[in-house]
Amino acid sequence: DAKTTQPPSMDCAEGRAANLPCNHSTISGNEYVYWYRQIHSQGPQYIIHGLKNNETNEMASLIITEDRKSSTLILPHATLRDTAVYYCIVRVASTGANSKLTFGKGITLSVRP
Amino acid sequence: GAGVSQSPSNKVTEKGKDVELRCDPISGHTALYWYRQSLGQGLEFLIYFQGNSAPDKSGLPSDRFSAERTGGSVSTLTIQRTQQEDSAVYLCASSLTFAEYEQYFGPGTRLTVT
Repeated sequence: DAKTTQPPSMDCAEGRAANLPCNHSTISGNEYVYWYRQIHSQGPQYIIHGLKNNETNEMASLIITEDRKSSTLILPHATLRDTAVYYCIVRVASTGANSKLTFGKGITLSVRP
Repeated sequence: GAGVSQSPSNKVTEKGKDVELRCDPISGHTALYWYRQSLGQGLEFLIYFQGNSAPDKSGLPSDRFSAERTGGSVSTLTIQRTQQEDSAVYLCASSLTFAEYEQYFGPGTRLTVT
């Protein structure tokens, strides 16, 4: 079972920031939060991950609450190409069987012109 | 550099036939995963290979499904006696090591069982 909860969908205007929420209230101390996205007819694509500190890369920022029970993925300037299903995934970054990804239903982000 | 490639991109087969799906991971990646994505089940893990270790087959839905990885590189997923419920997109992913954070996914093989 997926250990995260995401709203089914949201939209935002092109050029504006898209803030995608995720709840992971049962997260363990050694579990990371990962975000992947899947653009229509493509395989999933890694975006970012974090443990407890906020993270930023060229694609997005990840804000994790102090209690680590929720997080927000921020796309600072959404474009039409960011329209996709975004998956928030919690997993232990270690060895063997735990390295598989368990996908939930994700959130469908629609960026409108 | 080259990403994960999969072949064929589309496969239509008759119920009861066997099919083989191929995955070429990124060169040097020691971990390889198979997932499948169907309308009813979303994206689910099937099997995982890491180096020379025994594969984790915990996600295979039935004994009709098997996979191998030859020489630590190319992998083949075989489905015997295909059923209509096997229709899905089969995705392969690889990562540098099992502890590596990022999995790189291929474009998938769309399997349709008629």
